[in-house]
Parts: sequence; C-alpha cells; structure tokens
Amino acid sequence: DAGVTQSPTHLIKTRGQQVTLRCSPKSGHDTVSWYQQALGQGPQFIFQYYEEEERQRGNFPDRFSGHQFPNYSSELNVNALLLGDSALYLCASSFSGVRGYEQYFGPGTRLTVT
Amino acid sequence: AQSVTQPDIHITVSEGASLELRCNYSYGATPYLFWYVQSPGQGLQLLLKYFSGDTLVQGIKGFEAEFKRSQSSFNLRKPSVHWSDAAEYFCAVRGGTASKLTFGTGTRLQVTL
Repeated sequence: DAGVTQSPTHLIKTRGQQVTLRCSPKSGHDTVSWYQQALGQGPQFIFQYYEEEERQRGNFPDRFSGHQFPNYSSELNVNALLLGDSALYLCASSFSGVRGYEQYFGPGTRLTVT
Repeated sequence: AQSVTQPDIHITVSEGASLELRCNYSYGATPYLFWYVQSPGQGLQLLLKYFSGDTLVQGIKGFEAEFKRSQSSFNLRKPSVHWSDAAEYFCAVRGGTASKLTFGTGTRLQVTL
C-alpha cells in the first residue's frame, strides 16, 4: 500500500516565479491538507481540500492556491514567490469518515527561492 | 484558538536512559492529540494519538503518552532510548470540527552513546 507521495522532491525557483507542487494521497483517503514548514519550525497549516473544494484555510495569502482532482490527488500553487516562501512543503492525507482523524504525511517538497 | 507549547527545544539523553518530552496544549474542549517524529530531511511519521478513553496511549517504537486534562498536557515517554530515536518530535492538536493540525515548535532529541 503506497503512502502519501509528493513531487518533486526538491525545487529551486527565483523570486517572482510561480511553482506547482503535487501530492497523491494514501489509498482510501479522500482529504488532502497542505502544510509549510520553515527551517527550525513546526508545520503551519495552509489549507485543506475535500470533494474538490477548499474546506479550510490557514493564515496564508491568496498567492497560495490549490486544487483537488477527482482521483483525490492535489496541487499546491504559489505565485509571485518571495524569499520567505523557502520551506519544506508537506502534504497530508486523511479519510473523512468516522474515526478518520489521523493525517498521514508525505516526505515533502523542499522549495528554495533565490 | 488552539495552540501547542513544547517547552524543550533540545534534549540530550544517553542511550538506554528514559525519556520524557513535554507538550502543553490550549483548547476549550477535549482535543485530539498527536505525536509525530521527523528524521532529518524527512516527512512526519505518526507515533501515537489520543481521541478519547484511556488516558495512557501506546504508540509505535515503544513510545507512550499520557493525557492529563487537569494539566492540559500530553507528554511523550519512552523507558529506554535507542540511538535511532534521535530526531525531531512534534506534538499536535486538532480541535473539534476544525480538521487542521496545530503543531508545536518541536523538540530535537539527541542520543549519546
């Protein structure tokens, strides 16, 4: 059973560019959440997608947007990149049904903005 | 709003010694609590979780945690630490219908041989 997968593993971008990160959830999961983890910090919640809709959003600007596809996979898009966007971006999947409280994390995408 | 405090930024223990990592949470009702571990350059692995019931929960790799409502704490323990336990440990809370996880800033565990 494949766990949560993310691509790419690493990415280097220049300020002002746009980036797209991808996530495939664990088999049987229908909900995807995205987190940003700056160096030396705990993960910060960006947003969550369920049934192809953004269900909940953290305190991130509109430059951060996402999408969920019918197969439950998800993309995170960041526009007009800033140096401060450099971080590890983590995708987590979960099941929306009863007892589906745990979130399982992927290995992350390391984004460096120069 | 929910929040998590991990008071210890860095802890060093000898291999074979016992371990306790502290976690305090803030939430108005009974929270869902989690401990995750992160090795360098890796994602987060779920160690254990508390939803309800028995306040002492067992997890993987020999870890356990105890939920104490009166102290708003969910401390992680292990009786005998192995060198492979060296990693960053995060406590997280999820409150009620809000499905997002709120994490603490983490505790870095170093194990000396």
